[in-house]
Amino acid sequence: SQQGEEDPQALSIQEGENATMNCSYKTSINNLQWYRQNSGRGLVHLILIRSNEREKHSGRLRVTLDTSKKSSSLLITASRAADTASYFCATDNSGGSNYKLTFGKGTLLTVNP
Amino acid sequence: NAGVMQNPRHLVRRRGQEARLRCSPMKGHSHVYWYRQLPEEGLKFMVYLQKENIIDESGMPKERFSAEFPKEGPSILRIQQVVRGDSAAYFCASSPVPGQGFSNQPQHFGDGTRLSIL
Repeated sequence: SQQGEEDPQALSIQEGENATMNCSYKTSINNLQWYRQNSGRGLVHLILIRSNEREKHSGRLRVTLDTSKKSSSLLITASRAADTASYFCATDNSGGSNYKLTFGKGTLLTVNP
Repeated sequence: NAGVMQNPRHLVRRRGQEARLRCSPMKGHSHVYWYRQLPEEGLKFMVYLQKENIIDESGMPKERFSAEFPKEGPSILRIQQVVRGDSAAYFCASSPVPGQGFSNQPQHFGDGTRLSIL
């Protein structure tokens, strides 16, 4: 698997439900970021979690990071139709170029009204 | 709009032509990154530039591709003699400073240029 690989590839839920997406990576990192991409648009930065942090919240978003397992999860609570988008995790590489983000293929989230 | 501005949004070229993609970073940002996204894929790093300097072009093909970020004006990604395989979405991102350990700044992305090669 590649650095920054999301799971599942696609997720379909009903409005009001929670959505959980996972990300695994391979190298040591300084931080991990989650981005959202609406169809045909650019990436919108959601949240950055540093390697010394285990959990971070921002509104309806909750991100966890487990550096021992090299994994992260993004939880969106009380989902809305407007949350429909692709979600990507991106990692840097603490042993290399920390500006060079590596993205996974993303999770396509569909929230049905 | 104070965000990263890319133009054009869509660009169609015939094989063998040149494609020029432009990116104006967010106000106050002096670091620019270009990424390429193929259909159903994540973004792949191409090049990192500061004003008048290419810092890292390790993700950019050595032939036909070039990038610049002049002292004045936008950053330009130039693709010469385009081929069908160049069809992709090209995204530019900017940051005030690159990642520096625990004081990392996120990269802010533009809406991209969708390049189609006929």
